[in-house]
Amino acid sequence: AQKITQTQPGMFVQEKEAVTLDCTYDTSDQSYGLFWYKQPSSGEMIFLIYQGSYDEQNATEGRYSLNFQKARKSANLVISASQLGDSAMYFCAMREGRGSTLGRLYFGRGTQLTVWP
Amino acid sequence: DTAVSQTPKYLVTQMGNDKSIKCEQNLGHDTMYWYKQDSKKFLKIMFSYNNKELIINETVPNRFSPKSPDKAHLNLHINSLELGDSAVYFCASSQFLGQETQYFGPGTRLLVL
Repeated sequence: AQKITQTQPGMFVQEKEAVTLDCTYDTSDQSYGLFWYKQPSSGEMIFLIYQGSYDEQNATEGRYSLNFQKARKSANLVISASQLGDSAMYFCAMREGRGSTLGRLYFGRGTQLTVWP
Repeated sequence: DTAVSQTPKYLVTQMGNDKSIKCEQNLGHDTMYWYKQDSKKFLKIMFSYNNKELIINETVPNRFSPKSPDKAHLNLHINSLELGDSAVYFCASSQFLGQETQYFGPGTRLLVL
């Protein structure tokens, strides 16, 4: 079974609008971490935001927020006030907390976001 | 100041050759990783090292051999390159094993002809 599922291969949003990128995860661990990374066309992987499984508040970093719904096992990324520079591939990832998997990030297949003027 | 750096950025080589990719981090982190991103952009871990000790060794052909001379460096050597090895290879580091955020290098684009 896939650990991370991103069901939107591509998303389009108009500049200055908000957009939500979906991510669901699968784990039986109690302790885990959820991440979003951005990969622009230049290819680097940029860390955006992190949510721990025990964090009660949704994580926020500037225009990025993570909508964490533990019971539904979802960790959607919300980008407010989209900018042209937000056009990129976005990856959701999970780190499980135990044993030999410790430290390993499992990635989803990514969502290609295009922001249009 | 580059946090995680990789050399080379691009690598074009013939099948059967041996090549190395170098990674260095100046963040003072204990743990380093190698990930492979295939042509469909799927990222998968290959190896991780913690304080120069191999921690994760995914199901990777033994033609791939990581080496960590010190905590700040993790190199990847690939023997007898095959067409299927063409991919982007990312190095990453985190403060310690299991620490939340992994910071990635710029990637090395390997093309095997």
